[in-house]
Amino acid sequence: DSGVTQTPKHLITATGQRVTLRCSPRSGDLSVYWYQQSLDQGLQFLIQYYNGEERAKGNILERFSAQQFPDLHSELNLSSLELGDSALYFCASSVYGDEQFFGPGTRLTVL
Amino acid sequence: AQSVAQPEDQVNVAEGNPLTVKCTYSVSGNPYLFWYVQYPNRGLQFLLKYITGDNLVKGSYGFEAEFNKSQTSFHLKKPSALVSDSALYFCAVRDSDTGGFKTIFGAGTRLFVKA
Repeated sequence: DSGVTQTPKHLITATGQRVTLRCSPRSGDLSVYWYQQSLDQGLQFLIQYYNGEERAKGNILERFSAQQFPDLHSELNLSSLELGDSALYFCASSVYGDEQFFGPGTRLTVL
Repeated sequence: AQSVAQPEDQVNVAEGNPLTVKCTYSVSGNPYLFWYVQYPNRGLQFLLKYITGDNLVKGSYGFEAEFNKSQTSFHLKKPSALVSDSALYFCAVRDSDTGGFKTIFGAGTRLFVKA
C-alpha cells in the first residue's frame, strides 16, 4: 500500500458527460501528479501541483482541469468526455520532486 | 524537450540469469532518473533513482541501475532474475532545471522471467 488513495476505482459514463476523480496524497507529501495510462499512449504526464499551486503541465487537454485543495487532496475534472478518454488515471504524490508514490488508479470507461 | 526511450518492448530471461532492461534519455539540464515497476492491475512502484553521485545505484528487490552520462543511458539490472520479477518496467526522467517536476515516462518494457 503506497498510502495514496484514489476514488472511485471504476467509473463508467457516457460521451459528453463530466466526471471528477479524487486523490488523497500520502501524509506529508506536498506534490501531487496526475497521469493517464492507455494502451496506445502509454503513461502520459498530465499535470503537477505543489502545495496548492500548479507547477508543471503536460499533454493535458483543455477539457481536463485539476486543482489541489488546502488539505492537499486533488481532483481531476474531465468534461465533454469522448470514447478516447477511456483509460486508467493515476495520481501520485511525493514530498518534493523526488520519487513518486502511485495510487491504485481510477479506470474510466466512456461508452 | 525531455524524452525517454526504452528500446525493447519485451525482455525474456530464464530464472537465475542476469537481466538488463535498457533506457536512454534526453534532457536539457541535469537529469533526475527513476525506475518504476508495475504489476497487473496495480499502480507503479518506485524501484530506484539517480540524482547525483555514484553512477551505480542500488534499489529495491535486488535491482540496480547504471547511469552513463556519455551514453545518456540508465539501464536497469539484476544479477539473478526471479519469476516474481515478471512485470512492466518504466524508466522516467525529470528535468531538474525546470520550475516544476514534469516527469516523462518511457513506453515500458515487459519482463518475462521463465522458470
